[in-house]
Amino acid sequence: NAGVTQTPKFQVLKTGQSMTLQCAQDMNHNSMYWYRQDPGMGLRLIYYSASEGTTDKGEVPNGYNVSRLNKREFSLRLESAAPSQTSVYFCASSERGGGVEKLFFGSGTQLSVL
Amino acid sequence: GESVGLHLPTLSVQEGDNSIINCAYSNSASDYFIWYKQESGKGPQFIIDIRSNMDKRQGQRVTVLLNKTVKHLSLQIAATQPGDSAVYFCAENTNAGKSTFGDGTTLTVKP
Repeated sequence: NAGVTQTPKFQVLKTGQSMTLQCAQDMNHNSMYWYRQDPGMGLRLIYYSASEGTTDKGEVPNGYNVSRLNKREFSLRLESAAPSQTSVYFCASSERGGGVEKLFFGSGTQLSVL
Repeated sequence: GESVGLHLPTLSVQEGDNSIINCAYSNSASDYFIWYKQESGKGPQFIIDIRSNMDKRQGQRVTVLLNKTVKHLSLQIAATQPGDSAVYFCAENTNAGKSTFGDGTTLTVKP
């Protein structure tokens, strides 16, 4: 079982460039999430998808878009990258139910925007 | 009054000692809490969870304590080992909401 797989692991962009971060999970989870983690800080939710076909904004959605391609895959797109988007990005999935949200995380994408 | 453990951004302990990591949560409506461990270069990994109808839960070498009166959560690690060195995050969520993460505590275990 691979769990949650993210690609790429590292990426350097110039300001204004676009890119898509890919995420796939093989645990048959309904919910998927994108978080960002800045140095010395906790994780902040960018977007989430409670189930296939739905997406919702999290705490810090500006500058990002997402696509829930199918139950397995949830991608994050930066249309015009800015230096403020330099961060480590984590994809996660969970099987929500009964108020329980136990997250399973990928290994992260380290993004630098110059 | 009751003393509440202070959240520290870093904690250094000697191998074999017990570690206590504290977390203050913000939402009185939160009813589920989780501790995650994040090793360098990896994503957070689930350690232990607790529901709001409990005040203590034990796992293997780890214990989580919940004090709803003062909105405080702690993670106790028994006989701390070098492999326990990591950043530890607490997370809270409500039945309808998403997990909200604390700022994390970096635990360093000295040999």
